[in-house]
Amino acid sequence: DSGVTQTPKHLITATGQRVTLRCSPRSGDLSVYWYQQSLDQGLQFLIQYYNGEERAKGNILERFSAQQFPDLHSELNLSSLELGDSALYFCASRRDITDTQYFGPGTRLTVL
Amino acid sequence: DAKTTQPTSMDCAEGRAANLPCNHSTISGNEYVYWYRQIHSQGPQYIIHGLKNNETNEMASLIITEDRKSSTLILPHATLRDTAVYYCIVGYNYGQNFVFGPGTRLSVLP
Repeated sequence: DSGVTQTPKHLITATGQRVTLRCSPRSGDLSVYWYQQSLDQGLQFLIQYYNGEERAKGNILERFSAQQFPDLHSELNLSSLELGDSALYFCASRRDITDTQYFGPGTRLTVL
Repeated sequence: DAKTTQPTSMDCAEGRAANLPCNHSTISGNEYVYWYRQIHSQGPQYIIHGLKNNETNEMASLIITEDRKSSTLILPHATLRDTAVYYCIVGYNYGQNFVFGPGTRLSVLP
């Protein structure tokens, strides 16, 4: 158990819909990272937040957005969902630069 | 694109050492080598990381060549539960926006 929690574990929705994935980092970790893992793309970095501010962006679509709240939990919002958005979504957290990333169990999103 | 090259798959007999190689010939002076593994569709699990020196923890050992262009992850006594995809990643510690490659699928055989 990494100490990072993600909800929900599974999510099934329809094309065109909007969903929110939630991540609670390890206690005291200021950085949160989001990754997407689909069958054909592998693990891809989406976005990073540090203490409430966006720090880095990867291959994140414009239909996707994220934020980190004052209590340090983070949410990833996915809108206008397409079949190709079906994937595992992982968040990871990290305390500081002497530390590394610890991943949560993921949310499996299925878009029908 | 990932900055590392790993074998697609490897087999190892249970109880034997598993040696997983990784090439990172373009690594920069301040980039670390990180190893993670992913069992089925679980979240990637941190194993070990290092900069120049060899490192050991309760899970594994990391051997980095002197020129830092390659490294080897050693699982000293592989068990069936070590069957997983192992990812070798290079990156700076200050950003850590990891670029994952396809990794090595390790199968530990009874």
